[in-house]
Amino acid sequence: DQQVKQNSPSLSVQEGRISILNCDYTNSMFDYFLWYKKYPAEGPTFLISISSIKDKNEDGRFTVFLNKSAKHLSLHIVPSQPGDSAVYFCAARPGGVRSGGSYIPTFGRGTSLIVHP
Amino acid sequence: NAGVTQTPKFQVLKTGQSMTLQCAQDMNHNSMYWYRQDPGMGLRLIYYSASEGTTDKGEVPNGYNVSRLNKREFSLRLESAAPSQTSVYFCASSERGAGLNEQFFGPGTRLTVL
Repeated sequence: DQQVKQNSPSLSVQEGRISILNCDYTNSMFDYFLWYKKYPAEGPTFLISISSIKDKNEDGRFTVFLNKSAKHLSLHIVPSQPGDSAVYFCAARPGGVRSGGSYIPTFGRGTSLIVHP
Repeated sequence: NAGVTQTPKFQVLKTGQSMTLQCAQDMNHNSMYWYRQDPGMGLRLIYYSASEGTTDKGEVPNGYNVSRLNKREFSLRLESAAPSQTSVYFCASSERGAGLNEQFFGPGTRLTVL
């Protein structure tokens, strides 16, 4: 059973518009969330993260929103650029004393974003 | 800094052959990981090493063994390769501890088992 779900395998957006990538999770022990970006033939690279004590984190064109009650997070890219075309993985991990210090993240299956010029 | 390096980049094996995937990091990270990525399946954890001298199974450990050779190196061995192990393998590393640290990934090894 998937604990981290990215229900949209792909997303197509026009350059300059907003891209919204969604992620849902089921494990209430998750308290830290990360987004990774992956280009073809390369390893994933870290993009942005958010702790459960926040509901928003922003880094330039990238903003992650967390809705704990809905167990949902989203990544917003504004404005979208052709270079943003990649696969985006959502990941979640437990942490801290409650989980015994476990820090191993669980990854979603990814969403392939295509930004058209 | 090279970050996380993996060798080889590509490999073709016949069923039953063995091989070792090598991984090294130069960031002085404590924790290292092996993942496999299959189409539509995301990244699945095979084994990880929280610190030098320790290894633990992940989600899909069957058919694999690992060795944490030292703090820098973490290898993944396939003793008797099967077609189901055709995949892209990624090694990653991270700092451990209370800090909320991301993982750094290598470029991957594309393995085909015939």
